[in-house]
Amino acid sequence: DIQMTQSPSSLSASVGDRVTITCRASQSISSYLNWYQQKPGKAPKVLIYAASTLQSGVPSRFSGSGSGTDFTLTISGLQPEDFATYSCQQSYNAPFTFGPGTKVDIK
Amino acid sequence: EVLLGESGGGLEQPGGSLRLSCAASGFSFSNYGMNWVRQAPGKGLEWVSYISSSSSTVYYADSLKGRFTISRDNAKNSLYLQMNSLRAEDTAVYYCARGGHCSSTSCFIRAAFDIWGQGTMVTVSS
Repeated sequence: DIQMTQSPSSLSASVGDRVTITCRASQSISSYLNWYQQKPGKAPKVLIYAASTLQSGVPSRFSGSGSGTDFTLTISGLQPEDFATYSCQQSYNAPFTFGPGTKVDIK
Repeated sequence: EVLLGESGGGLEQPGGSLRLSCAASGFSFSNYGMNWVRQAPGKGLEWVSYISSSSSTVYYADSLKGRFTISRDNAKNSLYLQMNSLRAEDTAVYYCARGGHCSSTSCFIRAAFDIWGQGTMVTVSS
């Protein structure tokens, strides 16, 4: 099975900050890497799919990059509504494993 | 509007069974693969199972060890998860989530999960 790791596990940031979250796969997953945002008590929402493609309706301050085993999610200009937990997921092979998540909270 | 809605969760004793349902609306359910994903309290997301549009392909998380069975009824726009031999560690919110589009001959299984239900809570405790 492909293992997914994320760093950091949590971070504190201020509105307007640029935030970068990294995700690493235990083997190459090409570009089959997806990013989800989840707020407390709510279902996850896909932000980025195929490593760098922005899901329809997602603000352009979110961006993704990477291929193979190393990926990043960047939020350029953090907004109050962006405080949430972000999880990566590989969809290259079943089981479609998720990373452990990165909680972004207010500094 | 594209919607998924789970039901069937609740409190069950260890060793018991539950059947979760997921009702789909607003899209052509029979043309999409579907997934179950769970989240234990305070924990991260854990993918549980996938089923293709025709039910010909199913995948499960290794940790389930044959206790769960995914199925679907395209005529009823519904997805199911039969959970047997429940354990305390199965306690979680269970989400259904839409996978990739399926043609008449194959499914794109490498798609992100773009539509999610609101989740249903399953608690396994004596």
